Amino acid sequence: DQQVKQNSPSLSVQEGRISILNCDYTNSMFDYFLWYKKYPAEGPTFLISISSIKDKNEDGRFTVFLNKSAKHLSLHIVPSQPGDSAVYFCAATPSDYGGSQGNLIFGKGTKLSVKP
Amino acid sequence: DSGVTQTPKHLITATGQRVTLRCSPRSGDLSVYWYQQSLDQGLQFLIQYYNGEERAKGNILERFSAQQFPDLHSELNLSSLELGDSALYFCASSVGEGSEAFFGQGTRLTVV
Repeated sequence: DQQVKQNSPSLSVQEGRISILNCDYTNSMFDYFLWYKKYPAEGPTFLISISSIKDKNEDGRFTVFLNKSAKHLSLHIVPSQPGDSAVYFCAATPSDYGGSQGNLIFGKGTKLSVKP
Repeated sequence: DSGVTQTPKHLITATGQRVTLRCSPRSGDLSVYWYQQSLDQGLQFLIQYYNGEERAKGNILERFSAQQFPDLHSELNLSSLELGDSALYFCASSVGEGSEAFFGQGTRLTVV
């Protein structure tokens, strides 16, 4: 049973527009959420995170929103650039892992394609 | 470059064999994590070590084992390999628990 779900395997957007990647989770014990970006032949790279005590975290073009009641988070990229084309993984960690970011539960990823 | 080094990058072996994957964490990082990414699957957490001690276990098969050595590098041992073990195996490291994890480039294992 998947605890972290990314229901869209792929997303295509035009350069300059907004990209919205969605993620749902089922475990109410999750209290820290992260987004990783992965290029082919490379390992995942940390992008942005959010704690369950917040509902928004922003870093440059990237903003993550958390809706705890809906068990839903989303990553917004504005404006999207061709270099953002990659697979984006949503991940979560439960509080009983002592806050370790390594014991992450990952979704299956969404492949983002940004067209020039 | 994340600073996490995994060797080998590619490995092809036959069913029933045993292989060892190696990970050198970033300088100063005490925690090492292993993940498996199979086709069409997300990253599955296997096991974590912190300063030589096992800290957490995920979906790791009994045929798999790992250890972290005094110099903090880690090895993941996979034995009695099956076709379904073909996957990308990632190692990640972090300074401690509760800090950002950095991933290596992965080892692609193909079992034939």
